[in-house]
Amino acid sequence: QAVLTQPSSLSASPGASASLTCTLRSGINVGPYRMYWYQQKPGSPPQYLLRFKSDSDNQRASGVPSRFSASKVASANAGILLISGLQPEDEADYYCMIWHSTVVFFGGGTKLTVL
Amino acid sequence: QVQLQESGPGLVKPSETLSLTCTVSGGSISSYYWSWIRQPAGKGLEWIGRIYKSGSTNYNPSLKSRVTMSLDTSKNQLSLKLSSVTAADTAVYYCARDEALSGYPDYWGQGTLVTVSS
Repeated sequence: QAVLTQPSSLSASPGASASLTCTLRSGINVGPYRMYWYQQKPGSPPQYLLRFKSDSDNQRASGVPSRFSASKVASANAGILLISGLQPEDEADYYCMIWHSTVVFFGGGTKLTVL
Repeated sequence: QVQLQESGPGLVKPSETLSLTCTVSGGSISSYYWSWIRQPAGKGLEWIGRIYKSGSTNYNPSLKSRVTMSLDTSKNQLSLKLSSVTAADTAVYYCARDEALSGYPDYWGQGTLVTVSS
């Protein structure tokens, strides 16, 4: 079982909100982890968006709009990337990432389609 | 602003060693950790490992037996060697700088495609 699991795809309409989940493997508690989120568009490297550990430990990368935010759902053992007011340019692949036992793990990525 | 550029052979034969170089400009490699990450076509990201100026390394356990990373501070370059390659190692290979405090890759190269084929 993968350390981080993301749904492979998600579709949403322009102007709507999209909630992208990243679920940690059973036995790994999301609570202590900083979860990082990346956006990748075709032909380009991933671009760091933001990180979230708690309400007091989170950061949005410079230039990333405030409509990108993150949170955790402890009951689901998951991190969430929330994109509000979807715009066509938000269509991309989104990856979550954590450090676990001195190793970096990425989720498999979610392809977000805005249509 | 720091910039990274990967270079190396685009085609490697099975069982041979893949060798890539990442040239860093706009900053010294004598600071920060530097990572290698790869991405097979149409698939997700896989962290290969990272190296620090001291030469200390962290490798992905799934690749550790085949990976060697090094730094050349005189050329401001980092390098990756992956031995005994198979078709499964075909991917776009990225080098990246890790952010100083949290250790996440913040600056990435554009990536270079390496195909393993005879």
